[in-house]
Amino acid sequence: AQKVTQAQTEISVVEKEDVTLDCVYETRDTTYYLFWYKQPPSGELVFLIRRNSFDEQNEISGRYSWNFQKSTSSFNFTITASQVVDSAVYFCALSTNNAGNMLTFGGGTRLMVKP
Amino acid sequence: GAVVSQHPSRVICKSGTSVKIECRSLDFQATTMFWYRQFPKQSLMLMATSNEGSKATYEQGVEKDKFLINHASLTLSTLTVTSAHPEDSSFYICSARGGWADNEQFFGPGTRLTVL
Repeated sequence: AQKVTQAQTEISVVEKEDVTLDCVYETRDTTYYLFWYKQPPSGELVFLIRRNSFDEQNEISGRYSWNFQKSTSSFNFTITASQVVDSAVYFCALSTNNAGNMLTFGGGTRLMVKP
Repeated sequence: GAVVSQHPSRVICKSGTSVKIECRSLDFQATTMFWYRQFPKQSLMLMATSNEGSKATYEQGVEKDKFLINHASLTLSTLTVTSAHPEDSSFYICSARGGWADNEQFFGPGTRLTVL
C-alpha cells in the first residue's frame, strides 16, 4: 500500500521568506515516481515536478527546489524568496508501477504568503 | 502538448437531476482516464479509472450506479452524476494518461458542481 503524508496542513509566511513543504512517502516498491502539484484558488492542478526513484539528484528550477532523500523517504519542496503568487495548496503525490501507476495524493499543504 | 479539457467548468443544478461532465484529451489519445473528487479543504480522492472501450473500475465506497462513467473514445470520457443531492456538491477533476507516459497523468481544470 502507498501512503503520502504532508504533515503541515497550513503554513503562513511573509513575502521574501523561504519556506519548505515537507512530504514523506511510504511504498514497498523499488520503482516509483514522486510528484508535486500546485493548486491555486482557481482549482486547476499545476504540475511542478516528477522524480523517479532512481534519481536522487536534487533539482532547482528558479525559486523552486526539491530535496529527494530515499533514506528518509522524503521529497521536500522549498520555495526561495516567496511571493504572494505562491499562495496555493501544494500536493505531493506518489505512483508506482505495481499499483498501476495510479496517483496517491498527500493531504496537501496550504501556503499563504502575506505581503 | 498533453492538454486536457473539462466541460462545464461550473454547474449548478437542482436536487434530483442528473449532471454530465465531459473530459477530453485535446492533443493526444488517452488510453486511461481518471476521475477524482475533491471536497473543500481536502485532498483529491480517486473515484474511478476508465480504459477506453471497457467498464470503469470504481474505488471502494464509490457508487457505480450513481456516478456513471463512459469512456467511449480515446479522447473523451464522461462522468454522469445521477439523481444529484447536495452532498454530491464537490470539485470533480479528471485526468488522462497516454500510452507513451505510463507514469504521468495530465489533469483537466476541474468542474465545480453545486447541487441545491
